[in-house]
Amino acid sequence: EAQVTQNPRYLITVTGKKLTVTCSQNMNHEYMSWYRQDPGLGLRQIYYSMNVEVTDKGDVPEGYKVSRKEKRNFPLILESPSPNQTSLYFCASSLGQGGNQPQHFGDGTRLSIL
Amino acid sequence: AQSVAQPEDQVNVAEGNPLTVKCTYSVSGNPYLFWYVQYPNRGLQFLLKYITGDNLVKGSYGFEAEFNKSQTSFHLKKPSALVSDSALYFCAVRDRYTGTASKLTFGTGTRLQVTL
Repeated sequence: EAQVTQNPRYLITVTGKKLTVTCSQNMNHEYMSWYRQDPGLGLRQIYYSMNVEVTDKGDVPEGYKVSRKEKRNFPLILESPSPNQTSLYFCASSLGQGGNQPQHFGDGTRLSIL
Repeated sequence: AQSVAQPEDQVNVAEGNPLTVKCTYSVSGNPYLFWYVQYPNRGLQFLLKYITGDNLVKGSYGFEAEFNKSQTSFHLKKPSALVSDSALYFCAVRDRYTGTASKLTFGTGTRLQVTL
C-alpha cells in the first residue's frame, strides 16, 4: 500500500531534549515536506526537499533541522525543543519537484513540549 | 509572497443542500490550486486541483471547484451535501513560475458541518 509513515504518532517531552520525528514514503517520490498545523493558522511549511541532499526552508524553519540522505526518508529534528513547538506535524510527499502534483500526507505526529 | 484566504471558519449546511467553501488566493504569477480534506486524527487527503484549461474542475467524492482568475478565487462546491462530508477543508496554492515554485501555501481551513 502506498503510504507516508510518521513515527512517533504522539510524543510528550521536555524543553531542551533533542528529538527526531521520522518520515518514510514507499512511493519513490522526489519531493518531501514537513508542515505544522496549529489552530487558526492552518498548515505552515517548515522545510521541503526536492530530492536527495536538496533541502530548503519553508515559512517557519526556525528551531528545526532536516536531512535527506535517502530518497524515502526525511526526518525532522528538533535539537532543543521549546513549548512553542508544541503542535501537530505532518510529513508529505509527491512526484517530481512539487509543481502540480498532489501531496500524500502521513497521519501526523502530535508533539507536546513541556 | 503567495497567500491563501479562507474567509469562513465554519460552514453549516443541511444534508441534500448544495455547499460552497470559499477560497481566494494571491500569487505573483499563475497558480496551481488544490483542495484537501482532513478527517479527525488523519492526514490531509487530496480532493482536486486546477492546473490550466477548463475553469470547472471535478474531483473526488462528487466535489468540484471553480477557478475564477479575475476574482482570484477557487471555491469548492458540491451539489448535494452528505453528513459524511463533515470535515476540515484546506485550499492551497503554488506559484508556477517563481523561484519558490516548490513552496506550497495553505489556507487556515474551513470546517464543514453537514446536519440531517
